[in-house]
Amino acid sequence: QSALTQPPSVSGAPGQRVTISCTGSSSNIGAGYDVHWYQQLPGTAPKLLIYENINRPSGVPDRFSGSKSGTSASLAITGLQAEDEADYYCQSYDSSLSSYVFGSGTKVTVL
Amino acid sequence: QVQLVDSGGGVVQPGRSLRLSCAASGFTFSSYTMHWVRQAPGKGLEWVAVILYDGSKKLHADSVKGRFTISRDNSKNTLYLQMNSLSAEDTAVYFCARGRGREGYNFFDFWGQGTLVTVSS
Repeated sequence: QSALTQPPSVSGAPGQRVTISCTGSSSNIGAGYDVHWYQQLPGTAPKLLIYENINRPSGVPDRFSGSKSGTSASLAITGLQAEDEADYYCQSYDSSLSSYVFGSGTKVTVL
Repeated sequence: QVQLVDSGGGVVQPGRSLRLSCAASGFTFSSYTMHWVRQAPGKGLEWVAVILYDGSKKLHADSVKGRFTISRDNSKNTLYLQMNSLSAEDTAVYFCARGRGREGYNFFDFWGQGTLVTVSS
């Protein structure tokens, strides 16, 4: 059972906006630890998508955005494209576990 | 450009040992915290271990504590994961990843391609 909870799947038509939630607790996100997001295409290594809650690495389209509030964070994808079909993971640190933690992962399907 | 190349995976019997390597290039390896992350077949990502840039501090996940040891050789730009007493639950693709940000606030900005470890008799 992951310390960070994500919906197993979300879907949307091309051009639509989808959001992925990442729910934590007072020992991770709620304790002030940053949230980061990764995209994993099938058969490949994860790729950093959002770091420190809201920042995009160079080369990541501005269609991807992150936010954080309280014990939760969210990743939004606007203008959904076929190439966005992938698994997405949030990540933070948990002080109770003394461990870096990942969310359970969300599969995004483009209809 | 930053490159991380994972190697050392394979099929190993339960109870045996294996050492993974991650060869780094394209950046000053000795300046960065490094991590291992694993992914069991069809499952999500699980953080395994971290080592500070100079090797002075290491942290391992509870699931591998006492069995796995992370280490590094900055003279060879290489990260290692020594895995002992392997069990079927350790079957996974193992990725090395470069850490950025403050300790405890790390994110993983570059990843290796992963190496598959299969524990089976």
